[in-house]
Amino acid sequence: AQSVTQPDIHITVSEGASLELRCNYSYGATPYLFWYVQSPGQGLQLLLKYFSGDTLVQGIKGFEAEFKRSQSSFNLRKPSVHWSDAAEYFCAVGSPNSGYALNFGKGTSLLVTP
Amino acid sequence: GAGVSQTPSNKVTEKGKYVELRCDPISGHTALYWYRQSLGQGPEFLIYFQGTGAADDSGLPNDRFFAVRPEGSVSTLKIQRTERGDSAVYLCASSLMGGPQETQYFGPGTRLLVL
Repeated sequence: AQSVTQPDIHITVSEGASLELRCNYSYGATPYLFWYVQSPGQGLQLLLKYFSGDTLVQGIKGFEAEFKRSQSSFNLRKPSVHWSDAAEYFCAVGSPNSGYALNFGKGTSLLVTP
Repeated sequence: GAGVSQTPSNKVTEKGKYVELRCDPISGHTALYWYRQSLGQGPEFLIYFQGTGAADDSGLPNDRFFAVRPEGSVSTLKIQRTERGDSAVYLCASSLMGGPQETQYFGPGTRLLVL
């Protein structure tokens, strides 16, 4: 079965600093990978997704992620964090057996300090 | 256009009671998903509808949980004999056809508290 691991429960970065959130997956074939963001009181919003092709994926709000098959990773990055980026971030893998229902990691909570 | 909506936004009930949670997907989306998010966890898949039928209900925790989508649009998640452990945020999502490259659009969720 597919699984997703987000090793960092909490991360704190200074505003303007770079950000990398880690995601590791366990899946037999090429996975369908997603990053979602959940802000307080807001629904889950898709940041970016990867299916095939170029392993560096660009998303909204200046985020990007890189798929590395050899490391089973799909880490999310942003060159310069803004205070408004403080939120919960979820990595997910799509399951082909359930209409591609998403299997989420436990999430990483991002705190941005002045 | 309108996104996915869920009602009620909050529901407080007593242990043993019956509750219904409603999801209105994006118009024209044939695929509908229910997830449950417990405190400090990521959402967990409950059930997937393709049109009117439940194509995969493998995520439902037990037979107290049931969901319907009689006309292929609105869906209702039903929980019988609620238990305190059912307290969570219940999320609904929809996508156009349930394909692998599609984006799932999530509603704001219903926060259920069982006392």
